[in-house]
Amino acid sequence: AQTVTQSQPEMSVQEAETVTLSCTYDTSESDYYLFWYKQPPSRQMILVIRQEAYKQQNATENRFSVNFQKAAKSFSLKISDSQLGDAAMYFCAFYGGATNKLIFGTGTLLAVQP
Amino acid sequence: DVKVTQSSRYLVKRTGEKVFLECVQDMDHENMFWYRQDPGLGLRLIYFSYDVKMKEKGDIPEGYSVSREKKERFSLILESASTNQTSMYLCASSSGGNRGWLAFFGQGTRLTVV
Repeated sequence: AQTVTQSQPEMSVQEAETVTLSCTYDTSESDYYLFWYKQPPSRQMILVIRQEAYKQQNATENRFSVNFQKAAKSFSLKISDSQLGDAAMYFCAFYGGATNKLIFGTGTLLAVQP
Repeated sequence: DVKVTQSSRYLVKRTGEKVFLECVQDMDHENMFWYRQDPGLGLRLIYFSYDVKMKEKGDIPEGYSVSREKKERFSLILESASTNQTSMYLCASSSGGNRGWLAFFGQGTRLTVV
């Protein structure tokens, strides 16, 4: 069965600094997607970034980038130039085409200090 | 824009009541999902559906059932609500195809069972 592990329940970063959120996963599938979602207090889940497993290049979206290590089954999120609006719960998620399931980690609560 | 709409944002029900949580998507997506979100546990998959009248158990299906009579609507049913089902419930639908796999979420329903 697939599992997603986020080992950092809480993180804190100073405004304008860089922070990295960790995620590891376990799967026997070769074709899958990995995601980072942001959930602010409004509760709406917002897609931050997506990575297709077959792509070697790490995904980037403006200040957000990932370090995808397929062999190590690691998928960390780097937030550069952190802003107050980045404060939220961040979830790492896995989707495997064979099982058709979207599985989440337990989340990391990110605080941004002014 | 894709829209996933959950029928209620907040709901209070009594122990033993039959509860229906409704989710509607407007993008003709085949896959739909129900999760519950609890602090420290992340999002846990209750049920998902990959087609009309088709359903698959997720990781925590006990105490829940689902119905998908039409493609756009996926209902979560608590046959006899209990206090341990007090939680936030999130619905999602997903697309595939040329743009890759992606999930879209509703705004969540916070259910309190008293």
